[in-house]
Amino acid sequence: SAVISQKPSRDICQRGTSLTIQCQVDSQVTMMFWYRQQPGQSLTLIATANQGSEATYESGFVIDKFPISRPNLTFSTLTVSNMSPEDSSIYLCSVHRDSRDTQYFGPGTRLTVL
Amino acid sequence: QQPVQSPQAVILREGEDAVINCSSSKALYSVHWYRQKHGEAPVFLMILLKGGEQKGHDKISASFNEKKQQSSLYLTASQLSYSGTYFCGTVHPSNTGKLIFGQGTTLQVKP
Repeated sequence: SAVISQKPSRDICQRGTSLTIQCQVDSQVTMMFWYRQQPGQSLTLIATANQGSEATYESGFVIDKFPISRPNLTFSTLTVSNMSPEDSSIYLCSVHRDSRDTQYFGPGTRLTVL
Repeated sequence: QQPVQSPQAVILREGEDAVINCSSSKALYSVHWYRQKHGEAPVFLMILLKGGEQKGHDKISASFNEKKQQSSLYLTASQLSYSGTYFCGTVHPSNTGKLIFGQGTTLQVKP
C-alpha cells in the first residue's frame, strides 16, 4: 500500500490568484497522477506527473493553467493558476507502482474560489 | 473514452442485493472499483486484471468479461455502510496505467 498526504486539505482563494497543492508519498512510486472532482461529478484526470520531465496533460488541460512539478519519486505539486470560480473542486493525487497495481488516492484538497 | 456505468442510482433496503455495471467501447487491460463516501477520497475495493476474472471481498465481488469489455460489481446482503458512490476505473492497453473513471453509481442503503 501507499500512504499519501496532501497540503493544504482545503483553501478558499480569491479570483485571479494561484494555489499550489503538494502531494507526498511515503515510498517511491513510478506513476503519479492528478485528478479533479467537481461537485457531484466523477474524477477527471488532469495529468500524469513524470519524474524528471514535463507532465503529460489530458485533453482540456494545459500546462499554463495547471503547472506540475515532480522533482523526485515521492513528491509532486500541482498549481492552479489564475483561478476562477469554475476551478472550485476537489483536487486529488494518486499513485501506483505499475499498471497492474492498485491505485491509491490522497485525501484531496478542497478548493473554493470566490 | 469514459466507461459507462449503470444504473446511475440505486436505493436498497438492508439485506438486499445490487449489481453495478461498467462497460467500455475500447479493449480493457484492467478494471478498478472504488467507493467514495461524501466528503472523503475514493477507497479502493478491488482490481480485476484478466478476462473472466472474479474477485471477492466480504460480500462484495466483481467480474470482468474481457470480450464484452465490461465489468460488474455485486453487492450481496447490503449493509448501511455500503452507501456511497461507486466508480469503476478502466485502464486501456495503450494508456500506460492511467485510470479513466465512469460517471459513478450512487448507492443508498436504508434500514
